[in-house]
Amino acid sequence: QQQVKQSPQSLIVQKGGISIINCAYENTAFDYFPWYQQFPGKGPALLIAIRPDVSEKKEGRFTISFNKSAKQFSLHIMDSQPGDSATYFCGPMDSSYKLIFGSGTRLLVRP
Amino acid sequence: DGGITQSPKYLFRKEGQNVTLSCEQNLNHDAMYWYRQDPGQGLRLIYYSQIVNDFQKGDIAEGYSVSREKKESFPLTVTSAQKNPTAFYLCASSRTGGIGQPQHFGDGTRLSIL
Repeated sequence: QQQVKQSPQSLIVQKGGISIINCAYENTAFDYFPWYQQFPGKGPALLIAIRPDVSEKKEGRFTISFNKSAKQFSLHIMDSQPGDSATYFCGPMDSSYKLIFGSGTRLLVRP
Repeated sequence: DGGITQSPKYLFRKEGQNVTLSCEQNLNHDAMYWYRQDPGQGLRLIYYSQIVNDFQKGDIAEGYSVSREKKESFPLTVTSAQKNPTAFYLCASSRTGGIGQPQHFGDGTRLSIL
């Protein structure tokens, strides 16, 4: 059973554009919704995270939008830069405090 | 600087051989984790430990073993029973194993079969 479905698999955006990555989940017990950023040959790093008591959280150019009823949350990268080119993972946390990762989205921001 | 150190960066395994991947953290974190990452896939949890001398199986524990004798160390052994060990292995830690605790990752060990 695939608990987390991430889309799109890959994304190409022009510099200055908006990148949007989506994550749909099935487990209503998820209680923490982070996004991780991973560069080639490196481990993932926490980018931004949200708890289900709020619908949106913004940190600089990065925003998480959370829709509890639709069981979806998304990452928006405003004014995308070539340095944002990386793979992004959603990884909601289940009731036993384990992160359940999506399959990743490879983002390429063209100069 | 505090962080997580994984070694070696690259590792090659012969058929029938056990190999051990090292993970050390100086963040004073209680919880530690091992993940496996295959190309085009997300991270899958192998084992995790919420406290010294205790650990639990994750989703894909078969063919792997761990120990947690010290707070700062959580080595992973890939045994000969793991028939498809080629992957990128990531170690992580968090302050505790509770809700909302961010996990901090090392830079991984890439394991290949000779």
